[in-house]
Amino acid sequence: NAGVMQNPRHLVRRRGQEARLRCSPMKGHSHVYWYRQLPEEGLKFMVYLQKENIIDESGMPKERFSAEFPKEGPSILRIQQVVRGDSAAYFCASSPPTLYNEQFFGPGTRLTVL
Amino acid sequence: QKEVEQDPGPLSVPEGAIVSLNCTYSNSAFQYFMWYRQYSRKGPELLMYTYSSGNKEDGRFTAQVDKSSKYISLFIRDSQPSDSATYLCAMNLQGAQKLVFGQGTRLTINP
Repeated sequence: NAGVMQNPRHLVRRRGQEARLRCSPMKGHSHVYWYRQLPEEGLKFMVYLQKENIIDESGMPKERFSAEFPKEGPSILRIQQVVRGDSAAYFCASSPPTLYNEQFFGPGTRLTVL
Repeated sequence: QKEVEQDPGPLSVPEGAIVSLNCTYSNSAFQYFMWYRQYSRKGPELLMYTYSSGNKEDGRFTAQVDKSSKYISLFIRDSQPSDSATYLCAMNLQGAQKLVFGQGTRLTINP
């Protein structure tokens, strides 16, 4: 019973490039959440998605960041024109449809912007 | 002021000690309270999940919620070196999916 899967685990980008982070939820989970963890800080909510729908993106920066969860395939968090301040660990979590308080996290993608 | 306050530590205790970890919060509307454990360079792992006030026990772990004081605690009995990790409290509103996390407390259990 695989858990939440994220790839890549480590991603290095130069300023101005694009970063694509992928998340496959646990089997049977249709809700996906993205959180960002800056060094020495707790996790900050970014976005909540269900299949083909963005439900809550109140934590997403207004520019350069976007997320999707297509009908088929993993959820994608996309960061365009990365800047050094985007360097962080990005975690994906998933939950079953009716137990959204039980969010299970993946191992994270550590993004480094040079 | 942060919505959820958690002492970042570090906290260092000897093996076998009882550990007390705490969070305070400012939004009295929070209804669900969780504790996560995060090992270095890993994702957070859900330990305990409680609704509203009261206690919940699971093995060596006990979670307490005092809504009147806006204060939650996690107790670890008979602590082991394998408990060394960062512990994050999290909470959310009724009907809301996004979790609000504390900063995390780094705990070390010394053999």
